[in-house]
Amino acid sequence: DADVTQTPRNRITKTGKRIMLECSQTKGHDRMYWYRQDPGLGLRLIYYSFDVKDINKGEISDGYSVSRQAQAKFSLSLESAIPNQTALYFCATSDSTDLSGNTIYFGEGSWLTVV
Amino acid sequence: QKEVEQNSGPLSVPEGAIASLNCTYSDRGSQSFFWYRQYSGKSPELIMSIYSNGDKEDGRFTAQLNKASQYVSLLIRDSQPSDSATYLCAWRGGGGADGLTFGKGTHLIIQP
Repeated sequence: DADVTQTPRNRITKTGKRIMLECSQTKGHDRMYWYRQDPGLGLRLIYYSFDVKDINKGEISDGYSVSRQAQAKFSLSLESAIPNQTALYFCATSDSTDLSGNTIYFGEGSWLTVV
Repeated sequence: QKEVEQNSGPLSVPEGAIASLNCTYSDRGSQSFFWYRQYSGKSPELIMSIYSNGDKEDGRFTAQLNKASQYVSLLIRDSQPSDSATYLCAWRGGGGADGLTFGKGTHLIIQP
């Protein structure tokens, strides 16, 4: 089983709909992240959380919101989906006590298509 | 703005040769550097991390870091067709406050 699990793995939704992507991890890491990946644009950080009480905006947070329900769970919401939010979304985790430099580990990704 | 620059490729290398991937970054405060490999449609997987100037070797992979020149590179010796993928470099700045900044990736093709 994957250490970082994302659901759903694939979703097609209509413009204007609310969609939630969920992430859970069994790695025991305190930090969690949401990235999106678009062809030619690479990985871009949407939101990150250092612990349950700490949420921070990343590079491209507009149109997104997040919730850290527990140390192991971090969900990403699109309140009103639009077509340019069609992308591959990755949840990721890291361990702040990792002396090797806070290596980030990625989930398997969620393909989201907004039509 | 903090940036990471990579040549998007594709970079084509014959099987058995050395593949050389390069990355430059803009923030002199950068602390940690990472190379990830990503197969099409899959999640990035960590290959190597490096935080000190010089070379770090792990099997067929060698990461090189030069903080004065602000570049980090990855060498893949004895390239195999299974090495064909997109390679992403990433860095974490001082304080580790904002996750990793990723380059756009270099598409590597190993020709049999």
